Amino acid sequence: DAKTTQPNSMESNEEEPVHLPCNHSTISGTDYIHWYRQLPSQGPEYVIHGLTSNVNNRMASLAIAEDRKSSTLILHRATLRDAAVYYCILRPPAGAGSYQLTFGKGTKLSVIP
Amino acid sequence: DTAVSQTPKYLVTQMGNDKSIKCEQNLGHDTMYWYKQDSKKFLKIMFSYNNKELIINETVPNRFSPKSPDKAHLNLHINSLELGDSAVYFCASSQDLKGSGGYTFGSGTRLTVV
Repeated sequence: DAKTTQPNSMESNEEEPVHLPCNHSTISGTDYIHWYRQLPSQGPEYVIHGLTSNVNNRMASLAIAEDRKSSTLILHRATLRDAAVYYCILRPPAGAGSYQLTFGKGTKLSVIP
Repeated sequence: DTAVSQTPKYLVTQMGNDKSIKCEQNLGHDTMYWYKQDSKKFLKIMFSYNNKELIINETVPNRFSPKSPDKAHLNLHINSLELGDSAVYFCASSQDLKGSGGYTFGSGTRLTVV
């Protein structure tokens, strides 16, 4: 499976934008880039995913580099509730066979009031 | 309504005991999973089931036996509990084996073996 590399931890001030980077230099041409986050004492939750184009949803934005070897999850205004571990995960395209979501170490985001 | 619900939320038990954790999803998903998160916070998949059929067993000891009575339920039974089994166990589900639409996780069961 293609690997991802994320910083172990990041800090942000409340109400400021946060850019969480992810490197995936061995990504295949058809792998999707998924982001999940895990709030303290909760299960992981889906945040956003994309393939080539930048994506926006109510939670975040995903900026994907043109060569797809890196991506950035953008939280536009960090709140205390955004303090969590953020996981960047590569997912093969739909097709024959099964797939399992494999988590790395993620980035622990701390939000400072 | 909780999409993926696990019971119990906390479980403290002695070594050697047998215990079960239950999971139910009301999303109409075909595929369900069990993950284990150890003290170092690594999340690892243990099992996946699709329409009540075992798909993945990730080198988990035989003491762990999942059971899926129907596609909305995936229970985890653990025999002869050991100290190393202490962890948080998460149940999850997805629409299909390909993980379409993303995974939905339960809130976890914290198992402590003493």
